[in-house]
Amino acid sequence: TQLLEQSPQFLSIQEGENLTVYCNSSSVFSSLQWYRQEPGEGPVLLVTVVTGGEVKKLKRLTFQFGDARKDSSLHITAAQPGDTGLYLCAGEYFNKFYFGSGTKLNVKP
Amino acid sequence: GAVVSQHPSRVICKSGTSVKIECRSLDFQATTMFWYRQFPKQSLMLMATSNEGSKATYEQGVEKDKFLINHASLTLSTLTVTSAHPEDSSFYICSAREGTLTEAFFGQGTRLTVV
Repeated sequence: TQLLEQSPQFLSIQEGENLTVYCNSSSVFSSLQWYRQEPGEGPVLLVTVVTGGEVKKLKRLTFQFGDARKDSSLHITAAQPGDTGLYLCAGEYFNKFYFGSGTKLNVKP
Repeated sequence: GAVVSQHPSRVICKSGTSVKIECRSLDFQATTMFWYRQFPKQSLMLMATSNEGSKATYEQGVEKDKFLINHASLTLSTLTVTSAHPEDSSFYICSAREGTLTEAFFGQGTRLTVV
């Protein structure tokens, strides 16, 4: 079940640029997680948001949970080549975690 | 903390044979474990959810007789792909959650190739 729509699917930017990834749904989630995945490895948890309207910052990454707990965004400031990877959002829905389609980010030096 | 170990990381098997993948929580009690499948360049698709001591709950379209899940202890869940076929070749990933905590932590994944 693809409960979450993630956009954009691909993003190629220059080092130093800012970007935003969106995660949208018509469903309400108990919590929402953002992960980063490298090829051939499991996803690594970046953040969990639980409360509607919640904003969390992790260095240059800012995560926001929508007021209605149906959507979320990930904003990266001054992207660096080390930020390159696959970013995934996952919503908790009736005690299960469903993933968005993913955003493949490429930051060029 | 919150380490989940998945084994093996890679496996190649012949068509028609069965393959078992293990998922262990090393430093917490995994009351719930989730099994996902990921095709190349795609996201993770939830296959099934298992709670310790209970039968697994499978997502729509996932064959429970083909993908056998056992969650016999609070630290170990196994996924057995029975009578594997080339179309079962994929990246299988488990995740584990303790109680009602919001986070689930992932194993490293298993690359299954059926030849």
